[in-house]
Amino acid sequence: NAGVTQTPKFQVLKTGQSMTLQCAQDMNHEYMSWYRQDPGMGLRLIHYSVGAGITDQGEVPNGYNVSRSTTEDFPLRLLSAAPSQTSVYFCASSYSYFSGTGVWETQYFGPGTRLLVL
Amino acid sequence: ELKVEQNPLFLSMQEGKNYTIYCNYSTTSDRLYWYRQDPGKSLESLFVLLSNGAVKQEGRLMASLDTKARLSTLHITAAVHDLSATYFCAVEAGYGGATNKLIFGTGTLLAVQP
Repeated sequence: NAGVTQTPKFQVLKTGQSMTLQCAQDMNHEYMSWYRQDPGMGLRLIHYSVGAGITDQGEVPNGYNVSRSTTEDFPLRLLSAAPSQTSVYFCASSYSYFSGTGVWETQYFGPGTRLLVL
Repeated sequence: ELKVEQNPLFLSMQEGKNYTIYCNYSTTSDRLYWYRQDPGKSLESLFVLLSNGAVKQEGRLMASLDTKARLSTLHITAAVHDLSATYFCAVEAGYGGATNKLIFGTGTLLAVQP
């Protein structure tokens, strides 16, 4: 298993350009999420998906679009890049399972994409 | 709206000492997570805490959860340099089922000095 993979690892954009950050997982996980990490602010949820064809907004969705046409892939689109979107972007996938003590989840994070918008 | 506060933001420790990182959250949640992040790396899952009074230990790290106080602690015992990293707590938004929406604290940068 490759786990959660993200491409590219690093990208430089000019203001106003658009691009797609790719995320794929080969673990057949139902849940996938996108986070951004900025210095001193921890990780903030951008969008998430509970299954193919189902997406919803997180804490900071403005300026980003997502779609989930397959279980494996969850691309994040920047429609018109702005310097405020300079950040490190992490994709995560997870699954839930029930054990005797309740519903458990495990989240797996990708290696991240560093984005610089000039 | 769920808010997660972590303190301290920065912690400088000597090897062999004990210390605790605190994570407070504002609304009821089913699950709390602790992650470790090394510089320039992704996040590594440490613990998942599910219920009130839950305690989990792995090596020199022990995590506990008090859902009534909405407080989790990450206790470090006899710190070693290898534990130097940033530690995040994250709380699952929503209640009554799995949502997979995590709200993160700002992180605690731990530096263990020889």
